[in-house]
Order: sequence, then C-alpha cells, then structure tokens
Amino acid sequence: QVQVVESGGGVVQPGGSQRLSCTMSGFTFSSYGMHWVRQAPGKGLEWVTFIFYDGSNKYYVDSVKGRFTIFRDNSKNTVYLQMNSLRVEDTAVYYCARGSGAAATALDYWGQGILVTVSS
Amino acid sequence: QSALTQPRSVSGSPGQSVAISCTGTSSDVGDYNYVSWYQQHPGKAPKLMIYEVNKRPSGVPDRFSGSKSGNTASLTISGLQAEDEADYYCCSSAGTYTSVFGSGTKVTVL
Repeated sequence: QVQVVESGGGVVQPGGSQRLSCTMSGFTFSSYGMHWVRQAPGKGLEWVTFIFYDGSNKYYVDSVKGRFTIFRDNSKNTVYLQMNSLRVEDTAVYYCARGSGAAATALDYWGQGILVTVSS
Repeated sequence: QSALTQPRSVSGSPGQSVAISCTGTSSDVGDYNYVSWYQQHPGKAPKLMIYEVNKRPSGVPDRFSGSKSGNTASLTISGLQAEDEADYYCCSSAGTYTSVFGSGTKVTVL
C-alpha cells in the first residue's frame, strides 16, 4: 500500500525560507510526476507546482514563480518544496500528491498535509 | 489562473441526487478532458473521486459520476448518503502541466 510522510513545516518570518519534504513508498516513485497543493486556513485548494517523473520539467502557479522551487531525489523517493521570500499569504497547509493518469492530472495519493505559518 | 466557479453549497436528503457544477473557460475546462473531482472531510486530506471527466478510481462508489459540456463540468452524487457530507473541489488542466482548482462546494445531507 502507498505510504506518505511529509515533514518540514512550522513558523517562519516573512521573507524567510522553509523546505518541505514528502516521501512516498509502496510504488515505483520514479515513474510518477508529483504535485504540491496548498490550502490556506478556512479556504479552498490551490495548485502550486508539478514536477515530471524524472525532474526534467517543472511548472508553477504565477504567485510562487521565482520564489518556490520543486525538486526530487528518486533515490530517496522524496519530493521537496523549497520556499523562499515567504509572505504572510503563503500561510497554508501544504499537501504533496502523486499525479496519475493522462498528463498526471489525477492526484490519487496525498500526504497528510503540513502547516506552514508565515508570521512575525 | 483564476479559480473555477462552483456553488458555495448544495444539499439533499438521503437517497436523493445532487449535482455540483464547475464552470471555467475555454482555456481550462473547455480545452481539456482533464477534469478531476476531490472530496475533503474536515481536517483530512482530499480524496480523488473522479478523473479525466468521468473515470472513477477503484474503490469509489458508482454513485459518483462526472460529465462535461463546454466550459462546465459536473459531479453528480446519486443515492446521497450521510458519509457524502463533505467539501468537494473540481480541478482542471489550465495549460501545459498546470492546473487550477474550483472554489469548493459544501455538500450537506439533510
């Protein structure tokens, strides 16, 4: 069965940095693209970023371009989200999710979510 | 990359059917057959219910079905059950390997 462990959240000051990790097991991690999705407190889901199965291509929502970087280490079955120049509006629960199906658009396994709070 | 438009809430009695709409544009919902739907209970991670407009993952009851017409996709829940009470989000491709979620709909079972 698929297992997911996320780590790296916490409280960070505006302008600071944080790195999230998501380790998945139970399947061939290197064969799947991976997404990060976030949810601000009391708000809806927002797609943040996607990385190809081999790390060769990455895509971002406009609001995080130039500040966030997604990358992966297939030898560790782990995908990361490096977040720099954090803003108060980046406060959210961040979920990693596996992309399946056509164009990896079916997010079929999700992490438990990790809270990142940006506050002074 | 504006959020897709969903009704804020829908409700129905047990056994009834409810439908949730998801309206986008010709650049997202209207341009791709990559619409998915997610169920989220309070404090929990989302769960995939429908993908590629009308495909159901294994384990999802056939009470859940999806469709699309033009710029609007829909999720129908037939034979509503108490455990279906949750928030539901649509999601569509919005360009090459980018996605956009809907605003979310709260389903209440009366």
